[in-house]
Amino acid sequence: DARVTQTPRHKVTEMGQEVTMRCQPILGHNTVFWYRQTMMQGLELLAYFRNRAPLDDSGMPKDRFSAEMPDATLATLKIQPSEPRDSAVYFCASGQKREAYNEQFFGPGTRLTVL
Amino acid sequence: AQSVTQPDIHITVSEGASLELRCNYSYGATPYLFWYVQSPGQGLQLLLKYFSGDTLVQGIKGFEAEFKRSQSSFNLRKPSVHWSDAAEYFCAVGAYNTDKLIFGTGTRLQVFP
Repeated sequence: DARVTQTPRHKVTEMGQEVTMRCQPILGHNTVFWYRQTMMQGLELLAYFRNRAPLDDSGMPKDRFSAEMPDATLATLKIQPSEPRDSAVYFCASGQKREAYNEQFFGPGTRLTVL
Repeated sequence: AQSVTQPDIHITVSEGASLELRCNYSYGATPYLFWYVQSPGQGLQLLLKYFSGDTLVQGIKGFEAEFKRSQSSFNLRKPSVHWSDAAEYFCAVGAYNTDKLIFGTGTRLQVFP
């Protein structure tokens, strides 16, 4: 049963610290999305990649957030320095673009708390 | 601009009762429509999707949804709710040859025994 995996599942850190979240997309999927979910804003798209190349990162605060795909099996989202307002659940999703649509499969999320 | 509206923030039903969750979308072209479910502490799981063809689509866990173009709606239904259906439900819209999905704000379903 192929699944998107994310690590860590929970992270508590102090303001100013660097946070790195990792995602392993489903093998064979060529598109990876990063979302952030909060009570106030709901589900927001931060960035996404196709074939490891960033296609859109307009939803991501550029000054502190960065997203990369070092290889096809790993996507990372980094926050440096972290702030309390970054507390949220961060989801990774992957998909394999086929025909004209792109179904997305979500990971279990990383719950981040910044104190 | 594309948008998705889920008018009901919170719905409570009794176990065994029927369920309908509303979803309205605004999109200029033919939409691709999705329903996802999120259980507490979990990611989003796809329940069903509509791209074309039969406007009544069947999904997992006994759910179905009907696409009504004239009403710009894609409501989710289940004839008999189980306690395990308690979760948050998200409607999403995409489009031909685009990657992004626009998600609604979600409807939280509570099921009473």
